[in-house]
Amino acid sequence: KAGVTQTPRYLIKTRGQQVTLSCSPISGHRSVSWYQQTPGQGLQFLFEYFSETQRNKGNFPGRFSGRQFSNSRSEMNVSTLELGDSALYLCASTPALGVDTEAFFGQGTRLTVV
Amino acid sequence: QKEVEQDPGPLSVPEGAIVSLNCTYSNSAFQYFMWYRQYSRKGPELLMYTYSSGNKEDGRFTAQVDKSSKYISLFIRDSQPSDSANYLCAFNTNAGKSTFGDGTTLTVKP
Repeated sequence: KAGVTQTPRYLIKTRGQQVTLSCSPISGHRSVSWYQQTPGQGLQFLFEYFSETQRNKGNFPGRFSGRQFSNSRSEMNVSTLELGDSALYLCASTPALGVDTEAFFGQGTRLTVV
Repeated sequence: QKEVEQDPGPLSVPEGAIVSLNCTYSNSAFQYFMWYRQYSRKGPELLMYTYSSGNKEDGRFTAQVDKSSKYISLFIRDSQPSDSANYLCAFNTNAGKSTFGDGTTLTVKP
């Protein structure tokens, strides 16, 4: 069974630009969560989508947004990029809401803002 | 003060050593206790999880939870170079998303 697929793997953007990252969950998984991982802040929860609706949200500014499609694939968007947005962005899929012990992570997208 | 504090590392040990990775937490509502392993340039993968105080063993790995002291540990016996990775503790109240520690980078030298 294919794992969680994130694209692209690496991205370099300039301050002020926007970026869209993509996540395809494991087949049959309906919940997708996004995390930001930085050396200083660890792994921080951004938001979770289930059945095309945002169900949980972390403490990030409105520049960070996401959506989920009917096939459970998800995208996250960051607008007006700042240097501090440089991080590894991870997505995790679970079969349903609130079952984090069965979360499978993708390899992440490494975003560098210059 | 952060809800979760993880021994920062990095940790470097010789092959065959016993490794102890530790986290403390302050939220009494945490019910699930998890350890993830993250290899370089990969996403985290769940190693073990438990929901009670005591020890849980899986091969060379033992997860220990002490709810009274709000302390969890992961022990790795007979450590191997393939165990070299970033280890993250994580906690869940069963009513929301998991809270992660910052990770401890482990290097096992042959």
